[in-house]
Amino acid sequence: GAGVSQSPRYKVAKRGQDVALRCDPISGHVSLFWYQQALGQGPEFLTYFQNEAQLDKSGLPSDRFFAERPEGSVSTLKIQRTQQEDSAVYLCASSPRRNSNQPQHFGDGTRLSIL
Amino acid sequence: AQSVAQPEDQVNVAEGNPLTVKCTYSVSGNPYLFWYVQYPNRGLQFLLKYITGDNLVKGSYGFEAEFNTSQTSFHLKKPSALVSDSALYFCAVNGTNAGKSTFGDGTTLTVKP
Repeated sequence: GAGVSQSPRYKVAKRGQDVALRCDPISGHVSLFWYQQALGQGPEFLTYFQNEAQLDKSGLPSDRFFAERPEGSVSTLKIQRTQQEDSAVYLCASSPRRNSNQPQHFGDGTRLSIL
Repeated sequence: AQSVAQPEDQVNVAEGNPLTVKCTYSVSGNPYLFWYVQYPNRGLQFLLKYITGDNLVKGSYGFEAEFNTSQTSFHLKKPSALVSDSALYFCAVNGTNAGKSTFGDGTTLTVKP
């Protein structure tokens, strides 16, 4: 079956532009996560949805970052007025249930480069 | 707060030799522990998890991990390494009530023929 799909795979933007990153989780998966992975580091948590509810957004670095999952399936991570430090790989993951003992299924990420 | 430490940036082993990739963790309450593998330009792939029960967990591709509560460790092991095991490995911890995972900074495993 289809895995987690992220688009675009690569995004180049100029500093100050807004970007939108899309995540299609595995069908029926309740939980959805966004992570930011800087070069040479592990993924850092950004935000977490359970169905359409955003239960944890403690990892969002600033109010320029916004995420939504309006119908409990596809999610969009939006970054406004991008800065060079936003350059990273953004990973989306989903898991089938609400329990924190479930492994996460990751997409291949969006590599964002801010010039 | 929960945290994970992977003390080795790089592990090098010869093909056919046993391998160990180290991980220690800190979390409130009972931990849920995971190992993931990442290949270049790809997302993370789940290898194995510890939830409760037997301290030795077996996972995909012949990997296993040993949970040690007194040392708060969850080291990844494999009895006989393959060149194709060469990749970036991440340890992660979830607290009982935490939806999110906290990851270590990763260990690059290189298996030489």
